[in-house]
Amino acid sequence: EPEVTQTPSHQVTQMGQEVILRCVPISNHLYFYWYRQILGQKVEFLVSFYNNEISEKSEIFDDQFSVERPDGSNFTLKIRSTKLEDSAMYFCASRYTGERTEAFFGQGTRLTVV
Amino acid sequence: AQKVTQAQTEISVVEKEDVTLDCVYETRDTTYYLFWYKQPPSGELVFLIRRNSFDEQNEISGRYSWNFQKSTSSFNFTITASQVVDSAVYFCALSERQGAQKLVFGQGTRLTINP
Repeated sequence: EPEVTQTPSHQVTQMGQEVILRCVPISNHLYFYWYRQILGQKVEFLVSFYNNEISEKSEIFDDQFSVERPDGSNFTLKIRSTKLEDSAMYFCASRYTGERTEAFFGQGTRLTVV
Repeated sequence: AQKVTQAQTEISVVEKEDVTLDCVYETRDTTYYLFWYKQPPSGELVFLIRRNSFDEQNEISGRYSWNFQKSTSSFNFTITASQVVDSAVYFCALSERQGAQKLVFGQGTRLTINP
């Protein structure tokens, strides 16, 4: 069964460093998303990406964040200068086009900023 | 603005008991979608069900059932004859019809099934 794949599963980085989280969405999906879950809290929307551009972003998604689909298969989230409060589980999701489809999530990347 | 409320933070039951997880939502959209996701201890988010706002039929899938009541803006989830493997955090979520259809999640309910 097709699935969304995220790498790495866990990343530890020093405050101020740049990190790139990688995702391979399901191949025929056209909508891509990043969500964040701070430990013990709810899942929060960060950004959606469609047709090679951001279609919507939340207030969390500030200038420190960027997304890219560099090669038609990978979908990346970059955090330019990490802060302690960026420590969280980051989930990638993808969805086929059309209204009546659900998003499928990757297994998540746990980011720890020290 | 859209909002999902799961008032039950934690529920603990003994195996084989039935348990209902509550979900109440707010939206100004007339057409929207409701979801339940399961997050087991391993951390991934597993899709369970999607319900369209114009379809108020309840749904049953094995030991799982969902009760959608548009009049009370609720979308409750019942597990019948619970098993230890049902232990997880369960999230209710809402998305609008238009645009990116991003998901707005509730706070989650941690369900523990004790043997």
